[in-house]
Amino acid sequence: GENVEQHPSTLSVQEGDSAVIKCTYSDSASNYFPWYKQELGKGPQLIIDIRSNVGEKKDQRIAVTLNKTAKHFSLHITETQPEDSAVYFCAASSNTNAGKSTFGDGTTLTVKP
Amino acid sequence: DVKVTQSSRYLVKRTGEKVFLECVQDMDHENMFWYRQDPGLGLRLIYFSYDVKMKEKGDIPEGYSVSREKKERFSLILESASTNQTSMYLCASSSHTQGLEQPQHFGDGTRLSIL
Repeated sequence: GENVEQHPSTLSVQEGDSAVIKCTYSDSASNYFPWYKQELGKGPQLIIDIRSNVGEKKDQRIAVTLNKTAKHFSLHITETQPEDSAVYFCAASSNTNAGKSTFGDGTTLTVKP
Repeated sequence: DVKVTQSSRYLVKRTGEKVFLECVQDMDHENMFWYRQDPGLGLRLIYFSYDVKMKEKGDIPEGYSVSREKKERFSLILESASTNQTSMYLCASSSHTQGLEQPQHFGDGTRLSIL
């Protein structure tokens, strides 16, 4: 089955700096890669996703890049703000897997004002 | 906006009790999922369902069962609760579009303590 590894497990940055979280996956059939943000006391919420036919996607301060050959994808947050502090999860799934996703173990991002 | 509602935010039960966790989604999604979330272990899939009355085991189904009698409702059952089932439980749903994966929409979780 699919295996997703996420690094780092914790990340602390100063407000205004950039943050990068990286994930690798094992199953070359995976073709959909969402990123979720979980704030304290809430469930994870989708913040951005990318499909395997695209190498990069951007939405304001967040971007995701995908390298299918190396089987890794990354989340980039620029100009970080204290409200970006949360746990971030990457995930991978394929359309042969009945809607199931395999999640990374999460990254706790702290943005210091 | 998709809404996934979990019936309880906090629940305290005793060892050996039968525990029901309920989840309802309002977007007519075919797929529904139950996860448990423990520190350092990410989200682990317990069971999922891709249609009414259909269910499949996830990665950690032992000690749990599920029920999906109606499309909008997916219940997680702890047959005989044990202390190692103390955890945060998250329900999610997603739509099924042929050949095109869709994101999952999560509830806010039920924090279950087994004493």
